[in-house]
Amino acid sequence: DGGITQSPKYLFRKEGQNVTLSCEQNLNHDAMYWYRQDPGQGLRLIYYSQIVNDFQKGDIAEGYSVSREKKESFPLTVTSAQKNPTAFYLCASKGQSAHTEAFFGQGTRLTVV
Amino acid sequence: AQSVTQPDIHITVSEGASLELRCNYSYGATPYLFWYVQSPGQGLQLLLKYFSGDTLVQGIKGFEAEFKRSQSSFNLRKPSVHWSDAAEYFCAVGAGGNTGKLIFGQGTTLQVKP
Repeated sequence: DGGITQSPKYLFRKEGQNVTLSCEQNLNHDAMYWYRQDPGQGLRLIYYSQIVNDFQKGDIAEGYSVSREKKESFPLTVTSAQKNPTAFYLCASKGQSAHTEAFFGQGTRLTVV
Repeated sequence: AQSVTQPDIHITVSEGASLELRCNYSYGATPYLFWYVQSPGQGLQLLLKYFSGDTLVQGIKGFEAEFKRSQSSFNLRKPSVHWSDAAEYFCAVGAGGNTGKLIFGQGTTLQVKP
């Protein structure tokens, strides 16, 4: 079945550590996105990529980094510079046509311990 | 600036009652509008979408929404709520031309009383 797979489902980070969240899609979508969800704030865009080897900052990119070396994969690294990383992270992908919707993965919950 | 407002943070309805979740947007051009639903600890599932044409759109699970340009609204409705509809609902507007970026509202949590 086609879809978006995020891993791991739960992730714990120690202070000062970098961690990487995985996002893989087999929908043959060109565009991929990372959103952060905090209670009562909806979803906010971290980074997005419309094509391989290219990506753009979203509204809250500070303390995060991404790469897009393959069409299927868009990993997100939460660096030690992100001061409040505890949140639910959602990856999404979308086809080229403007009249299509984004499809979301099941999310990764990151907790700082 | 582009924005989406969901005025109701939390709504409780009785099973079998009708439901309306409000969504107001601020966007300069013709908006692309979406409603997504999220169960606890899960990803988002698309309920319905509006790009153009008929302003009343039908979605999955018996939901519908009406685009009203004059009111900048895209309210979600269901005539009879089921207990399984309890979840968080997000309204979103497509922003940034063809980038596919979404701007989300804060979400509305729906509780269904038996």
